[in-house]
Parts: sequence; C-alpha cells; structure tokens
Amino acid sequence: AQKITQTQPGMFVQEKEAVTLDCTYDTSDPSYGLFWYKQPSSGEMIFLIYQGSYDQQNATEGRYSLNFQKARKSANLVISASQLGDSAMYFCAMRESDDMRFGAGTRLTVKP
Amino acid sequence: DTEVTQTPKHLVMGMTNKKSLKCEQHMGHRAMYWYKQKAKKPPELMFVYSYEKLSINESVPSRFSPECPNSSLLNLHLHALQPEDSALYLCASSQVPRETMNTEAFFGQGTRLTVV
Repeated sequence: AQKITQTQPGMFVQEKEAVTLDCTYDTSDPSYGLFWYKQPSSGEMIFLIYQGSYDQQNATEGRYSLNFQKARKSANLVISASQLGDSAMYFCAMRESDDMRFGAGTRLTVKP
Repeated sequence: DTEVTQTPKHLVMGMTNKKSLKCEQHMGHRAMYWYKQKAKKPPELMFVYSYEKLSINESVPSRFSPECPNSSLLNLHLHALQPEDSALYLCASSQVPRETMNTEAFFGQGTRLTVV
C-alpha cells in the first residue's frame, strides 16, 4: 500500500522569499505519479504541479518547482518569491493506477 | 470546460434522513472519485469509479452508497448517517491513467455536510 508523509504541519515564510515543503513517499510500484495541491480556506483543491516516476527532469510550473529525488523517495515542493496569496494548506498526493491518496498536509503562512 | 460541479454546496440532514450528493463533469474523464475531508485533515479516499465500474471501496460503511449512472455523473447516497460523518465531501475526476500517471485530478468545490 502506498504511503505519503508530510512532516511539516506548519511553515512560515517571509513574502518574496522561497520556501520548501517536504514530501516523502513509499511504494513498491515502479509506475506512479506525484502531485501537489493547494487548498485555500475556501476548501477548493487547486492542482499545482506533477512529477512522474519515469520523468528524468524535475517539474516546474511558474513559481512552483518539484525537487524529485527518486532514490530518497522524496518530492519536495519549492515555491519561489512567496506571495501573500500563497497562504494555504498544501497537500502532496501520489497516484498508483487510479488510486490517489494524500499526505497530511502543510499549512503555509506567508508573512508580509 | 475544466469544471467539476458538486451539488448541493451545503447540506444539513438528520440521522434518519436519506439524501444524495451529486457530482458532474463534462471533460470526458472516465475516473471519478469521492473523498471525505474532516477539518484540518487531508482528503480521505472513499470510492473510485473507473469506466463507470466501482474499482476502489475503502471499506466505507454501507450508509454511504455510491452510484455512477453514466460517464459524466457520480452520486453519493446517504442514509442513516451519524454526527461523526459531518465533513466536506469532495468529488474529483481524471482521465484513467494508462501509459502515464500524468492525469491530474480536477476537484469540485465540495459539499459541506452536517449531520444533526
């Protein structure tokens, strides 16, 4: 069974600085996908970035990048140039086939 | 159209009531999901439908009954719920993963359910 771990319940970052949110995972399936979602207080789940298990390069999407270290089974999200609107819950998720599950989440607070 | 629509947005029901949550998407996705999310917790997977067939049931109590009548629609029928079932219920859809897992799930806004 897959397992996703986010060990940082809460993180603080100064506006305009970069922040790294940690995610580790465990699976025996060679084919899997890793996702990051943002959930503001409104409750909607917003897709941020994807990394496939066979992808050679780290994924990037605008200010978001994923630091994928396959041997360590980690998929950390890096947010550059933090903005006040980045304050939210961030969830790491893993997909194996059509099974998609989430880590416990990290609450990010951006300070002005 | 990249929208997953869930209705109702809010629902209050008694423990003896029967109600249904509805989820609709028109993106041609053939995988649809129900998640339950309690406050300050991650979404917990409840059910997955793939090509309108139930592929995952996470040992959810029978008072929750999913239904996928067609490829665009997913229902969750509720009966004899308990107060601890109060939560945000999220529906999601995605393409069915084949050669690649790069199939992001699109989420609805959720139904905030309160059982009294």
